[in-house]
Amino acid sequence: GQQVMQIPQYQHVQEGEDFTTYCNSSTTLSNIQWYKQRPGGHPVFLIQLVKSGEVKKQKRLTFQFGEAKKNSSLHITATQTTDVGTYFCAGLAFSGAGSYQLTFGKGTKLSVIP
Amino acid sequence: NAGVTQTPKFQVLKTGQSMTLQCAQDMNHNSMYWYRQDPGMGLRLIYYSASEGTTDKGEVPNGYNVSRLNKREFSLRLESAAPSQTSVYFCASRLGQDTDTQYFGPGTRLTVL
Repeated sequence: GQQVMQIPQYQHVQEGEDFTTYCNSSTTLSNIQWYKQRPGGHPVFLIQLVKSGEVKKQKRLTFQFGEAKKNSSLHITATQTTDVGTYFCAGLAFSGAGSYQLTFGKGTKLSVIP
Repeated sequence: NAGVTQTPKFQVLKTGQSMTLQCAQDMNHNSMYWYRQDPGMGLRLIYYSASEGTTDKGEVPNGYNVSRLNKREFSLRLESAAPSQTSVYFCASRLGQDTDTQYFGPGTRLTVL
């Protein structure tokens, strides 16, 4: 079945440093979605990328979708303590018989040291 | 518009007890999902319902059953709870399967002793 690998599993950064998490799928994706989960909370949708090579920005967050639609990255510039949490990528792929499956990576847990 | 709601928020069970986790959404979404989240394991799909009247197994269905009661509600039942089912359970929904984003409920923290 489809697999989505996400690295690193953990990242500790000093406040103000940059942070990047990477996501790789075993299959070509229809789209990739990114979610953020604050400690003790539930995953919250951040963004969706659909087109090959697509780049989207949300303030200090930059999301990229690879040309082959099998990998993606999330980059945070100048991290702040409010960025703390676990970031998940989720790849949507056609799984046959008219159905699609959304597979989540295991997430990258970001800690920011003030 | 409450989004996705789950009850209860917390539950402690003894091994062998049964319980049902309730989930409801008010966004008129067609697809609903149950996940469990364990430390270091990410979100693992237990069961899903692509549309009202259908349910399918996900990655880790053993020990669980589901019911899509109507378009709004999707329940998860543990018939005989085991300590390995100690986890945080999230319900989620999305409008369709093919492109839409997923909305999660607040979660149920279940401990099985």
